[in-house]
Amino acid sequence: GAVVSQHPSRVICKSGTSVKIECRSLDFQATTMFWYRQFPKKSLMLMATSNEGSKATYEQGVEKDKFLINHASLTLSTLTVTSAHPEDSSFYICSAIDRLAGTGNIQYFGAGTRLSVL
Amino acid sequence: KQEVTQIPAALSVPEGENLVLNCSFTDSAIYNLQWFRQDPGKGLTSLLLIQSSQREQTSGRLNASLDKSSGRSTLYIAASQPGDSATYLCAVSKAGANNLFFGTGTRLTVIP
Repeated sequence: GAVVSQHPSRVICKSGTSVKIECRSLDFQATTMFWYRQFPKKSLMLMATSNEGSKATYEQGVEKDKFLINHASLTLSTLTVTSAHPEDSSFYICSAIDRLAGTGNIQYFGAGTRLSVL
Repeated sequence: KQEVTQIPAALSVPEGENLVLNCSFTDSAIYNLQWFRQDPGKGLTSLLLIQSSQREQTSGRLNASLDKSSGRSTLYIAASQPGDSATYLCAVSKAGANNLFFGTGTRLTVIP
């Protein structure tokens, strides 16, 4: 089955530092990847849609200069939280669509990254 | 804007009981609806996907129904087990778009 690997699973950093999160499709090519954020006891909110080889599309209210997304290949998208602050502490989850599987727009999810900014 | 609501927010049942989780959405122009399971601090596991043209899907002890016109879906879990304890999320995708709109989830606890 389609597997999405997300790394790291947990990161603790000091305020002001930048953190990079990787999302990889291990056994399929992903033309489109998504980045979601989940605050405690809340549901997932879409942050941005990442398309291979083009700029990401950000949802309203999400700062593109703070959350840098790079989708340089068909198997890798990265999310960099720049100058992280405590309010950025959250659970970040990526997902990917298998463009060749003929499964339509089914998204396969990574295991998530817990970011804690001190 | 699509809004997805799940009721109840939390549910505790004794082992062996059958249960129903509810999901409602405001915009019926959906492409499909998915039910996910999320364990604490973990990612999402897809349980069932119902295309907009379908009425229900079954997988083992799970059965999901979809009434698109009324904007409702239910997830039926038969003979619940402690291992079913998790948060269950429903999500809908819009026709012509890829992103998912998630509900707030139902936290299920099955008591041994």
